[in-house]
Amino acid sequence: EVQLVQSGAEVKKPGESLKISCRGSGFTFTNYWIGWVRQMPGKGLEWMGIIYPGDSDTTYSPSFKGQVTISADKSISTAYLQWSSLKASDTAMYYCARQTPFIGDFDSWGQGTLVTVSS
Amino acid sequence: DIQMTQSPFSLSASVGDRVTITCRASQGISNDLGWYQQKSGKAPKRLIYAASSLQSGVPSRFSGSGSGTEFTLTISSLQPEDFATYYCLQHNGYPRSFGQGTKLEIK
Repeated sequence: EVQLVQSGAEVKKPGESLKISCRGSGFTFTNYWIGWVRQMPGKGLEWMGIIYPGDSDTTYSPSFKGQVTISADKSISTAYLQWSSLKASDTAMYYCARQTPFIGDFDSWGQGTLVTVSS
Repeated sequence: DIQMTQSPFSLSASVGDRVTITCRASQGISNDLGWYQQKSGKAPKRLIYAASSLQSGVPSRFSGSGSGTEFTLTISSLQPEDFATYYCLQHNGYPRSFGQGTKLEIK
């Protein structure tokens, strides 16, 4: 069974750093692109960026480039999303998702990680 | 970048109704569009891929159509479990982009 399991909820202060994770199982992790999607409270889905763990090739949405870093450790089938200095506006649910080969949309999703940034 | 305009923003309907949701792309995207359902507090779930292909396990009352710049998701006979928010996602190029979402509520 394909699974993407994300790390747990985080509560951070503005200016702090954070790295959340997404571990894949039930498929060959290095053969699929893994993307990240933001959902701010009460709002819609926003595509942030994507990584190919096989070679760490990464593409970002212009809206998120320079604001976050996407990385992966293929040895443990895990993708990451990190911030070096959080802002209150980073408060959101973050989902990872697997991109379907040859089609290009997302066919499997993680359960989400809620990030709360508050002083 | 490709912009997706989804309508309506919200929709009130009754069990048994037929409903249609539309997504328009700012430029042609062939059939590179998927539809997702999101229930409150849950991750999105794929319903339709490649504009009109039904995801395995999804009821046949859901259907998708369209190509180029205009796409529709139709639910032929609403069931109580269908009340949720629906999103389209274009995957014709990077960055990908979602529609703004349509919240389907019980009348």
